[in-house]
Amino acid sequence: AQSVAQPEDQVNVAEGNPLTVKCTYSVSGNPYLFWYVQYPNRGLQFLLKYITGDNLVKGSYGFEAEFNKSQTSFHLKKPSALVSDSALYFCAVRDIEQAGTALIFGKGTTLSVSS
Amino acid sequence: AAGVIQSPRHLIKEKRETATLKCYPIPRHDTVYWYQQGPGQDPQFLISFYEKMQSDKGSIPDRFSAQQFSDYHSELNMSSLELGDSALYFCASSPGTDNEQFFGPGTRLTVL
Repeated sequence: AQSVAQPEDQVNVAEGNPLTVKCTYSVSGNPYLFWYVQYPNRGLQFLLKYITGDNLVKGSYGFEAEFNKSQTSFHLKKPSALVSDSALYFCAVRDIEQAGTALIFGKGTTLSVSS
Repeated sequence: AAGVIQSPRHLIKEKRETATLKCYPIPRHDTVYWYQQGPGQDPQFLISFYEKMQSDKGSIPDRFSAQQFSDYHSELNMSSLELGDSALYFCASSPGTDNEQFFGPGTRLTVL
């Protein structure tokens, strides 16, 4: 069965510092991996994805993520955090070799950036 | 750029009533997905449609049904509503089934 783990409920960083939001996944085949961000009372906004190719993926708003197959991880990173990055971040996975199109989401990590 | 449109944005119903949620995908997106997000929870996949046919089914209760119409919009029909159905319901769309999903703003359903 597919699953996603986001081990931290909350991450706190100071503005200007680098940030990392962790994600590990479990699929039987090869994964499609995604990061979404959700602001209060809003829908999920797509940040970036890994399908194949380079392990370092660059996305919207200066975010990037590194796919590590041996560690089954897809951590979200940003070199310099902004207060406006404060939001709820979801990692999601699809198993491309299993039938179906559903995204399986992690429980989410609340990022709080202080000024 | 056009986004996914969901209506209504807010809906209040009584127990045992019915509700219909509508989703209008991004133009030229042929795949629609429905998710349910309870308070403080991650989104849970309900059902999806590709080219007007059901393509995947998740944890959708038997009391719920959905369909995708010829213009690719989709409707989620919910009957015999229960208090536990109170949640944010998201629709997402994508061009095909192998691309990232773009989410709408959600419909907040409150069952009293």
